[in-house]
Amino acid sequence: AQTVTQSQPEMSVQEAETVTLSCTYDTSENNYYLFWYKQPPSRQMILVIRQEAYKQQNATENRFSVNFQKAAKSFSLKISDSQLGDTAMYFCAFSPQGAQKLVFGQGTRLTINP
Amino acid sequence: GAVVSQHPSRVICKSGTSVKIECRSLDFQATTMFWYRQFPKQSLMLMATSNEGSKATYEQGVEKDKFLINHASLTLSTLTVTSAHPEDSSFYICSAEQGHDGYTFGSGTRLTVV
Repeated sequence: AQTVTQSQPEMSVQEAETVTLSCTYDTSENNYYLFWYKQPPSRQMILVIRQEAYKQQNATENRFSVNFQKAAKSFSLKISDSQLGDTAMYFCAFSPQGAQKLVFGQGTRLTINP
Repeated sequence: GAVVSQHPSRVICKSGTSVKIECRSLDFQATTMFWYRQFPKQSLMLMATSNEGSKATYEQGVEKDKFLINHASLTLSTLTVTSAHPEDSSFYICSAEQGHDGYTFGSGTRLTVV
């Protein structure tokens, strides 16, 4: 069975700082997708970034980038120039290719302080 | 972008009654939708995969007779919590798959059973 582990229950940084959220996963699949979702206090799940396992290049979306290490089964999220609006729960998620469903990590509560 | 509408956002019901939650894909067709349950400060737990025109696939430990899922059209899936009890109180979230574009989530339903 696939599992996703986020080892940091909570993190807190100052506005404008850079923060990295950790995620590891376990799978025997070779092709799969990885995601980072943000859940603000409204509880709406928002896609932050996604990565296809067959792509070696790390995905980036403006201030958000990932460090995807396939051999190590690691998928960390880096948030640059953090903003107050980045305060939220962040969930790492895994989806085997063709299996459709998402497996979520436990989440990391990120607080950006002014 | 793709939108998934979930209704109601909040519902309070008496113990023993049934509650229906709707999940609609507004601008795309969703042959597959997913239903999650989220307890306070915890991650999303997949309850079932809803397939248009066929029976839902339930995760281990989820009572299919309590959590009835109907996916009668390509844009609508419903979750009915039957004979609700206080322990069914939770936050329920639906999502729809968009192929390689990932998953779009509804805004969630907070169910309180009194």
